This record gives sequence, C-alpha cells and structure tokens, in this order.
Amino acid sequence: DTEVTQTPKHLVMGMTNKKSLKCEQHMGHRAMYWYKQKAKKPPELMFVYSYEKLSINESVPSRFSPECPNSSLLNLHLHALQPEDSALYLCASSPTQSTGYEQYFGPGTRLTVT
Amino acid sequence: AQSVTQPDIHITVSEGASLELRCNYSYGATPYLFWYVQSPGQGLQLLLKYFSGDTLVQGIKGFEAEFKRSQSSFNLRKPSVHWSDAAEYFCAVGAKGGSEKLVFGKGTKLTVNP
Repeated sequence: DTEVTQTPKHLVMGMTNKKSLKCEQHMGHRAMYWYKQKAKKPPELMFVYSYEKLSINESVPSRFSPECPNSSLLNLHLHALQPEDSALYLCASSPTQSTGYEQYFGPGTRLTVT
Repeated sequence: AQSVTQPDIHITVSEGASLELRCNYSYGATPYLFWYVQSPGQGLQLLLKYFSGDTLVQGIKGFEAEFKRSQSSFNLRKPSVHWSDAAEYFCAVGAKGGSEKLVFGKGTKLTVNP
C-alpha cells in the first residue's frame, strides 16, 4: 500500500485563524515532507522530517509550524496566514536513503486564506 | 547543486499517437531520476524511477523512460496515448548520498485531442 492521506481536503481560513493540516502514512517510511504548490507551478519544498527530526526548513515563515508526533504522522500548524499563502499543500513520504528518496504524495489540502 | 529542465511547457497530441516528454538534468554524478504525473487538483503520482542498472525503465500506465548519461537526459515515452493521460508531468532529480531533497522541473502540460 503506497498511500499517504491528508485531511482536510479543503480549508478556508481567515487571516487571524489558527488551523492545522494533517498527514498520515502507514508504509513505514522514515522521511516525511511538506510542499506548497501554486497553480501551474511545481511543488516547492517547505520542510523535511527524517526519523521524526526536522532536517530541512526551506526558510519558511514562522506562521507555518510543522510537527511530527510520530513516524506515521505529520502536522502543519497554520497561524496568521496571508492571502498569498493560498495554495495546494502536499504531504509526501519516502523510504530510507538506500532507495533514493522516491517520494509518495498525498492528494493535498486546498487552502484558501481570506 | 542539481537542476532539472523540461523544455516543453505544453504538448498536444492526438489520442493513439506516441508521446515523448523531454527532461534534462544537471548534476555532477549519476543522480536518482523520477517522473511524476499530476491530474488537476490532485497529488503527484510516481510513474517511474531510475537509480542504477538498465537505462531503460518501465513504469506504470504503459510509460517508460530512458536514461542517457551522455546527453544528461531522462525522457519519458509512451507508444500510444490515451485521453486519460492528459495531465501535468514533472521530472525530478535527487542526489545520491545527499539530502532528502528532490529538485523538480517546471512541468509539461499534456493535452490529448480525441
């Protein structure tokens, strides 16, 4: 099973709200990722967790706060977002380094900031 | 640092025709190479990958790709396109022994005419 699940599918939030995106995988993968994707663009890497530790932060604004409670779960906490943060947020996971970091993506959360 | 170029922003083919999507990469050693497909509003699906060995790799949905070291290319091919293949296609490169990052090309949008 190569499934990554994401909830919710759609989210509308105001600029003063606090919300969270959730990602889950049960493939035993030890690396998990958050990407942001704007229309007609490739995914942009935001964060990477490797063995439940944050290994890469691509200079993402602090209004985005990732959390990896365990090896199967990845959250992205959102606070005081701006309208330009509206995008498709993708979660991905990958096996260990020996398999070359092939990444499996979830269906995404479509976020609209009003 | 690695980089990926997909020279064609948009390609239109007729159903049943053959398809080739181009991908060129820049990396100092043999990279890990991937092709992903994304339908509108969906996540990315892994079509195929190249790590080592046979330079012609087979993927899902009847796709194949050929790694050509001398041309730094990893072109995606399909002998007969189906209407359901209409989507955005992304080539990506990862670094052997490096970080967990994948670098994506800008994508090629495929339109299939009936």
